[in-house]
Amino acid sequence: GAVVSQHPSWVICKSGTSVKIECRSLDFQATTMFWYRQFPKQSLMLMATSNEGSKATYEQGVEKDKFLINHASLTLSTLTVTSAHPEDSSFYICSATDHTTNQETQYFGPGTRLLVL
Amino acid sequence: SQQGEEDPQALSIQEGENATMNCSYKTSINNLQWYRQNSGRGLVHLILIRSNEREKHSGRLRVTLDTSKKSSSLLITASRAADTASYFCAEGGGNKLTFGTGTQLKVEL
Repeated sequence: GAVVSQHPSWVICKSGTSVKIECRSLDFQATTMFWYRQFPKQSLMLMATSNEGSKATYEQGVEKDKFLINHASLTLSTLTVTSAHPEDSSFYICSATDHTTNQETQYFGPGTRLLVL
Repeated sequence: SQQGEEDPQALSIQEGENATMNCSYKTSINNLQWYRQNSGRGLVHLILIRSNEREKHSGRLRVTLDTSKKSSSLLITASRAADTASYFCAEGGGNKLTFGTGTQLKVEL
């Protein structure tokens, strides 16, 4: 149980285009989902916390207009990188908490590797 | 930054040896968690230790917590090549996790 999927697993796009990444909880309902980014050989940095049906809470230094987050249902959150630039190239990972059982553990998706040319 | 630090940054051992990774954190915690990340993949939750616990075991994993020193350690006994991965500690919980800098473990045959 507690499986989180992400789609796509990798994406290459041209500079200036927008990219949407989906995060789904497959076998549980996730009231809260988190979005992280990770640069090579570095740790995960939290970008934003997404609660179902409400606006995401962004960490300091993360541009909300650039990284649009939508959490329209208890099983789906999306991250859209708008007008992507090469510096946005990174590994994006989502996670979700299962509010019905264990709110202390976050279950992570497999990540999406974004390369902006 | 509230990010904790882990040491060593990288560790290379032979299969069968034990591997110890240390984590220091900066704030008061409710719990501390350890995760594993295989190269280019997502994170797998390993173990959670609460602030009122001092030691916890799970299979070949042993985690200790010293809240007075704001530190934790992860011991992997009888390591296997499949244990090769990055290991992160993380403070917090369902609301927000702050990850340490990570230890890259390589277990050689």
